Amino acid sequence: DQQVKQNSPSLSVQEGRISILNCDYTNSMFDYFLWYKKYPAEGPTFLISISSIKDKNEDGRFTVFLNKSAKHLSLHIVPSQPGDSAVYFCAASIGTYKYIFGTGTRLKVLA
Amino acid sequence: GAGVSQSPRYKVAKRGQDVALRCDPISGHVSLFWYQQALGQGPEFLTYFQNEAQLDKSGLPSDRFFAERPEGSVSTLKIQRTQQEDSAVYLCASSLLAGQETQYFGPGTRLLVL
Repeated sequence: DQQVKQNSPSLSVQEGRISILNCDYTNSMFDYFLWYKKYPAEGPTFLISISSIKDKNEDGRFTVFLNKSAKHLSLHIVPSQPGDSAVYFCAASIGTYKYIFGTGTRLKVLA
Repeated sequence: GAGVSQSPRYKVAKRGQDVALRCDPISGHVSLFWYQQALGQGPEFLTYFQNEAQLDKSGLPSDRFFAERPEGSVSTLKIQRTQQEDSAVYLCASSLLAGQETQYFGPGTRLLVL
């Protein structure tokens, strides 16, 4: 049973436009969420996180939104750049170090 | 660099062979994690160390998998009598402290068992 789901395996966006990556979860006890970016042949790189006491967190071009009632998390990238092309994973945990990852969404930003 | 490093980057093993995968975490990081990532999937937790103590090995898929971190820094993941279903990327991550911290990943070791 997949507790963290990324239902879109891939997404293409034009350079300069907004990229929106989505993540759904089933366990309402999750209290901390992260997004990682992964380039081919490299390990995942931490992007941004959010605690369940917040509904939004921003870091430069990246904003994460959390909708607890819908058990939904999204990552907005504005403006999208070709260098953002990568696989994006969301992850969640319940008060501990044990993160559960989604299956990833491959983002392609077209120049 | 100062990041997490892993070796070897690629490993081909014959079925039944034993393999050892090495992880060098970021210096001073208390916590170390091993994950397994199958093709098209996200990383899946295998085991967790806090310094030299293995506090959680709930994700290890069988008793053929063994991990150690004897001096609280470098860690080794050993897989005995490898099988084809062990083929995956094995990722190591470390975090500065214990608990709900940002984990920093290494590049992974891609294991192919023939």
